[in-house]
Amino acid sequence: QVQLQESGPGLVKPSETLSLTCAVSGYSISSGYFWAWIRQPPGKGLEWIGSMYHSGSTYYNPSLKSRLIVSADTSKNQLSLKLTSVTAADTAVYYCARHAGRSNSHDWFDAWGQGTLVTVSS
Amino acid sequence: QSVLTQPPSVSAAPGQKVTISCSGSNSNIGNNYVSWYQQVPGTAPKLLIYDNDKRPSGIPDRFSGSKSGTSATLGVTGLQTGDEADYYCGTWDSSLSAVVFGGGTKLTVL
Repeated sequence: QVQLQESGPGLVKPSETLSLTCAVSGYSISSGYFWAWIRQPPGKGLEWIGSMYHSGSTYYNPSLKSRLIVSADTSKNQLSLKLTSVTAADTAVYYCARHAGRSNSHDWFDAWGQGTLVTVSS
Repeated sequence: QSVLTQPPSVSAAPGQKVTISCSGSNSNIGNNYVSWYQQVPGTAPKLLIYDNDKRPSGIPDRFSGSKSGTSATLGVTGLQTGDEADYYCGTWDSSLSAVVFGGGTKLTVL
């Protein structure tokens, strides 16, 4: 079964770039599906960040698009997230997830990583 | 403010039934498919329902989903203390070209 594991710095300074990696095991990301990043500020709800297909097709949250890069390394079977010019509002638990159904507009997330907390603070 | 509207909380006694609503518009729920997630505090969300009313393997039939117009509903029967969690609806919004989620509903089993 597919497993996802996020990793990256737990503390990022304001105005700097947040960089996270998601290692996928049990499924090759180049075999299909979109792959997503979703975040959850402390005590708040879920916010979709963006999704990408291994071929490079991407969908980004319009509110984050100007600061966001989502990419995939198929040789390492992992996803990457870069969010630039971060502020305290970007403090959240960041999840990676498998995004099913996007190609025919059905959209659901059927496998999730455990999440990693990123705090933006000086 | 979330694009999809859910009640902040619902509660019911063990063994009873509860429903959680998710209200949207024609650009999201009205013309796309809804999914539901269960999140026990401190853990990652878990898929409960996809394509409005389908259950993934391993999800008990105590959980059900439905959609009518621009609203969707999650039903939980035979409530157990282990069902205490936050529940989120999600769908695609064609106007935003984005996945949107509801604000979440906290289920308390009294």
